[in-house]
Amino acid sequence: DTEVTQTPKHLVMGMTNKKSLKCEQHMGHRAMYWYKQKAKKPPELMFVYSYEKLSINESVPSRFSPECPNSSLLNLHLHALQPEDSALYLCASSQASGGYQETQYFGPGTRLLVL
Amino acid sequence: AQTVTQSQPEMSVQEAETVTLSCTYDTSENNYYLFWYKQPPSRQMILVIRQEAYKQQNATENRFSVNFQKAAKSFSLKISDSQLGDTAMYFCAFMKQNQFYFGTGTSLTVIP
Repeated sequence: DTEVTQTPKHLVMGMTNKKSLKCEQHMGHRAMYWYKQKAKKPPELMFVYSYEKLSINESVPSRFSPECPNSSLLNLHLHALQPEDSALYLCASSQASGGYQETQYFGPGTRLLVL
Repeated sequence: AQTVTQSQPEMSVQEAETVTLSCTYDTSENNYYLFWYKQPPSRQMILVIRQEAYKQQNATENRFSVNFQKAAKSFSLKISDSQLGDTAMYFCAFMKQNQFYFGTGTSLTVIP
């Protein structure tokens, strides 16, 4: 099973709203990732959690706040977003043990529209 | 820094024909991994094929195969017997120490 699930599939929010994106995997992976993807562009890395600790933060604005409550779950809390934050938000996971185990498996994404 | 270049923004191929997508990368590393991912329209990104840099043998997965030229830093993807379901964005990716570097993608359309 190489399934990563994400909820919700679609989200529309105003610039003053607070919302959260959720990602879940049950493959025993210990690294989880958030990416932002604009149409017809490659994914841009936002955050990496390794063994539930934030290991990479790619200079993402503070209006995006990640959280990793346990090894299976990854959240992305959104607050005071801007219209340019509208994008597909992808979650991925990998085993984090080196080599091929670093292959990342992607979820279907949450399509976010900020009005 | 690692960079990945896909020089073909768009390509098309007739159904049942063969097509090759190009990818070059730049790195000073010796041990790394290369991947091709496929992202159909409005659908999930899925792994197509992967290659370890220290393996000289080219990876194959059914109709998908790669031509890995380490010295030239080239990693092209060949799709044989193209099917309508192969229509998608294809991203080449370089991985080192669990960080991915993606190319800009090639949009492939399979024509019936």
